[in-house]
Amino acid sequence: EAGVTQSPTHLIKTRGQQATLRCSPISGHTSVYWYQQALGLGLQFLLWYDEGEERNRGNFPPRFSGRQFPNYSSELNVNALELEDSALYLCASSHPGQGNQPQHFGDGTRLSIL
Amino acid sequence: SQQGEEDPQALSIQEGENATMNCSYKTSINNLQWYRQNSGRGLVHLILIRSNEREKHSGRLRVTLDTSKKSSSLLITASRAADTASYFCATDDETSYDKVIFGPGTSLSVIP
Repeated sequence: EAGVTQSPTHLIKTRGQQATLRCSPISGHTSVYWYQQALGLGLQFLLWYDEGEERNRGNFPPRFSGRQFPNYSSELNVNALELEDSALYLCASSHPGQGNQPQHFGDGTRLSIL
Repeated sequence: SQQGEEDPQALSIQEGENATMNCSYKTSINNLQWYRQNSGRGLVHLILIRSNEREKHSGRLRVTLDTSKKSSSLLITASRAADTASYFCATDDETSYDKVIFGPGTSLSVIP
């Protein structure tokens, strides 16, 4: 069974640009979650999608957005990039029911803002 | 505000020793999960323990949950160098399954 895959592995952008990160969940998983992990810090919850709908959102500005496609893959878009957006962005997938289902993580996209 | 918080922040032990990490949380929960993260990689799910359970085992891992103290512990027995990683607890909220909050993690170093 293929795991959660994320692309690209690394992404280098400059301030003010826009970034698009992609995630393919494990087959059969309908829920996709996005997290931001800044260097040396824990995971900060960004977004939760299930069945194509945004189910919950963390405490992030609106320039962080995303969507989930009919095949349950997902995109995270970050507009007007700022230096503090530099982080590892992790995607996870699970069966529905975030609190009582193990999440399966990809290896992340390392976003660097110059 | 943070729901779960691991203790200690960092732990260094010799191979073969046991490692114990603790997680404290603030509000009542339905479930608590432990994850491991190797450097530069994604998280790997280790164990999920429900609020009506007190102890679970998986191989060399033992997790306990004390809902009266709002705390959990993860014990790794007979540690190996490959156990070197960061360990996170993650909790939901009793009122909602909609959000899982991760603690800041414990960094474990196992010295060969």
